[in-house]
Amino acid sequence: KNEVEQSPQNLTAQEGEFITINCSYSVGISALHWLQQHPGGGIVSLFMLSSGKKKHGRLIATINIQEKHSSLHITASHPRDSAVYICAVSGDSNYQLIWGAGTKLIIKP
Amino acid sequence: DAGITQSPRHKVTETGTPVTLRCHQTENHRYMYWYRQDPGHGLRLIHYSYGVKDTDKGEVSDGYSVSRSKTEDFLLTLESATSSQTSVYFCAISSGTVSGNTIYFGEGSWLTVV
Repeated sequence: KNEVEQSPQNLTAQEGEFITINCSYSVGISALHWLQQHPGGGIVSLFMLSSGKKKHGRLIATINIQEKHSSLHITASHPRDSAVYICAVSGDSNYQLIWGAGTKLIIKP
Repeated sequence: DAGITQSPRHKVTETGTPVTLRCHQTENHRYMYWYRQDPGHGLRLIHYSYGVKDTDKGEVSDGYSVSRSKTEDFLLTLESATSSQTSVYFCAISSGTVSGNTIYFGEGSWLTVV
């Protein structure tokens, strides 16, 4: 079993829908990262969380340390949100992240 | 956007030749990383640096070496490229450790070893 599990693996939705991507982890962590990778490769850091909730524009990230679970929400989804969303946790290391497999999101117009 | 530049962005090389990828940052961040990304494996850490001349191995370091002689530059060298090193290579930086700081990625370098 992977230490970081994301669900769903693939998600297709219509423009305007509310999107939720989940990340569960089995190790103790200091921080959890959400990143976005568009087709063509560029990786963008969206959030770094150690507790609670963060919001940036239409994106909201939450984390429940006790349940070892984080969610990434996208409100009013748009085709430009189509990308792979990746969850990664810090685990015991200060340098190495443990990566989830990613969730491929497609938003149809 | 974080000031990270990778070069070259695309390279095709022959098996057995040496290859150096360069990562240059303008953020004065202490920590720098080299990752490779392959289908089915996600991002895997090759080497990282926690300061000038301070480097350490990641999970897939065999066949790779690194150097950091200046804060702004982190070089990744494939001493003798093999086909298994065909991959997309990403440089990343962070101001502090990833246990508490955001990590920023470069645009990637596509390497093909034929």
